[in-house]
Amino acid sequence: QSVLTQPPSASGTPGQRVTISCSGSSSNIGINYVYWYQQLPGTAPTLLIYRNNVRPSGVPARFSGSKSGTSASLAISGLRSEDEADYHCATWDDSLSAVIFGGGTKLTVL
Amino acid sequence: EVQLVESGGGVVQPGGSLRLSCAASGFTFDDYAIHWVRQVPGKSLEWVSLISGDGGSTYYADSVKGRFTISRDNSKNSLYLQMNSLRTEDTALYFCAKDFTDTSGWPALDYWGQGTLVTVSS
Repeated sequence: QSVLTQPPSASGTPGQRVTISCSGSSSNIGINYVYWYQQLPGTAPTLLIYRNNVRPSGVPARFSGSKSGTSASLAISGLRSEDEADYHCATWDDSLSAVIFGGGTKLTVL
Repeated sequence: EVQLVESGGGVVQPGGSLRLSCAASGFTFDDYAIHWVRQVPGKSLEWVSLISGDGGSTYYADSVKGRFTISRDNSKNSLYLQMNSLRTEDTALYFCAKDFTDTSGWPALDYWGQGTLVTVSS
């Protein structure tokens, strides 16, 4: 069981806005940056959002991140079929002195 | 172009050992922390370990602490993971991943290798 809690699945139709949550605690999300990774089927993960809400160059503005207290969210607007992938949140945990990942959310575009 | 290429995976019996390597190119290797992250196919990512750019700081997941050792040779632009006392639950695809920071703000993993498969089975 992951220290960070994500819903196992999410879905939406093309053009919709979808949000994926990531819940943690005061020793991790509450005091550290949150990162989001996208993993397309059969490939290695890629960095999607860093430092809570910053998009690396090349990541479309349709993707946005936010953090409030001990939770974070990834929002995808204007959903497209190529967004179908697994999404993972991650952060540092000060109590564990370790990186922690969420359980991952499988996004399906209907 | 940044490249990370893992090697050393294979099939090993429970209790056995394996040493993974990660060859890096395309960036100033000793400026960045590097991580090992593993994934059972079809499951979520599990962080394993990280090492700072100068090799002076290392961190481990509780699940591997005392059994795995991360190291790097900056003269060879290479990262290693020595895995001892392997268990069936260590079976996974092992990725090395570059962090775009060195000493804090982890895990900002901007480049990943394609992984090397470790299977622990009798």
